[in-house]
Amino acid sequence: AQSVSQHNHHVILSEAASLELGCNYSYGGTVNLFWYVQYPGQHLQLLLKYFSGDPLVKGIKGFEAEFIKSKFSFNLRKPSVQWSDTAEYFCAVNADGAGSYQLTFGKGTKLSVIP
Amino acid sequence: EAQVTQNPRYLITVTGKKLTVTCSQNMNHEYMSWYRQDPGLGLRQIYYSMNVEVTDKGDVPEGYKVSRKEKRNFPLILESPSPNQTSLYFCASRSGFGYTFGSGTRLTVV
Repeated sequence: AQSVSQHNHHVILSEAASLELGCNYSYGGTVNLFWYVQYPGQHLQLLLKYFSGDPLVKGIKGFEAEFIKSKFSFNLRKPSVQWSDTAEYFCAVNADGAGSYQLTFGKGTKLSVIP
Repeated sequence: EAQVTQNPRYLITVTGKKLTVTCSQNMNHEYMSWYRQDPGLGLRQIYYSMNVEVTDKGDVPEGYKVSRKEKRNFPLILESPSPNQTSLYFCASRSGFGYTFGSGTRLTVV
């Protein structure tokens, strides 16, 4: 069964600092990878996704993620965070080709950006 | 507008009183699923459905039922809710391009 690990439970940064949130998954086959963001009191929004092709994926709001197959990783990055990026971030994986659309989430990383 | 609609957004109920959370999508997606979100645990899948009349358990199905009588609707049924089912619930559907989530239902069982 697939699983997702997010390394940091809570990250605190000052505005303009660079961000990298770790995500590792466990599945040996082809995967589809996602990062979602949840602002306080709101529902999930898709930041970016990787299905195939260029392993460096650009998403909304200046976020990007890099798929490194050899490391089973899909880390989220942003060069300069803003106070409005304060939210919880979830990495998720779907094991493509396994006959299932099941989406498995990590436990989430809370990001607090200090003005 | 393509969307997944959940109702209600907020619900407070008492232990043992049957309730249904509705989920409807207007994208003709075959796959739909339900998740619950709890602090520190992320989102965990409760049930999913690959198509009409085809449903299967996810990771945390105990205490829940679902039905899929038509493609657009996928209600979540709690026949005898208990306080440990207090949570934030999300419905989702999937196309080949990814998943669309509903706005969530915050359920409190007292």
